[in-house]
Amino acid sequence: QQQVKQSPQSLIVQKGGISIINCAYENTAFDYFPWYQQFPGKGPALLIAIRPDVSEKKEGRFTISFNKSAKQFSLHIMDSQPGDSATYFCAASLTGGFKTIFGAGTRLFVKA
Amino acid sequence: NAGVTQTPKFQVLKTGQSMTLQCAQDMNHNSMYWYRQDPGMGLRLIYYSASEGTTDKGEVPNGYNVSRLNKREFSLRLESAAPSQTSVYFCASDKGYGYTFGSGTRLTVV
Repeated sequence: QQQVKQSPQSLIVQKGGISIINCAYENTAFDYFPWYQQFPGKGPALLIAIRPDVSEKKEGRFTISFNKSAKQFSLHIMDSQPGDSATYFCAASLTGGFKTIFGAGTRLFVKA
Repeated sequence: NAGVTQTPKFQVLKTGQSMTLQCAQDMNHNSMYWYRQDPGMGLRLIYYSASEGTTDKGEVPNGYNVSRLNKREFSLRLESAAPSQTSVYFCASDKGYGYTFGSGTRLTVV
């Protein structure tokens, strides 16, 4: 009920390509779905987030696609750059709640 | 504007030793959290504090204690460290629309 399943574990993309990371959740009560980006030796940083009342949110090269009926959401990184190489975590939470469930993470490497 | 500050950044403990990880935030956030990060496991919640004066267990609280000293500070204590507690520990505070994390404490228990 509380899991968030993230795939793939690791991803290698050519510079300029599209990086796609997928997540699936179980608890239909979740109403906030953030993505975090983590560089080596640093803490995760909020990248982009979506609520289930919209199917897509775009910020620059980063887009979240949300499929409420399938209980799935994904992060697309367009025109991927070497500087995007990092670990990405999806997450799910309840507004007003105090527990965010994180996916296991995806290590992205963008080849120059 | 420092955000969330954690100390120390690195620590090596012997089995059975105790230590306290310190965390402070300067953003006037009510909620604070302690997570541990292990390879392939994502981030797992140890304890959280919804507001000053309150603390609650998360997913993996065994072997840890916490103190919410005031609105700014939330500390994590290991009373008798075990090798299974080797991990990277992150403190976070909640801005209502996502977390702000500290830079982490890398703890090794030998």
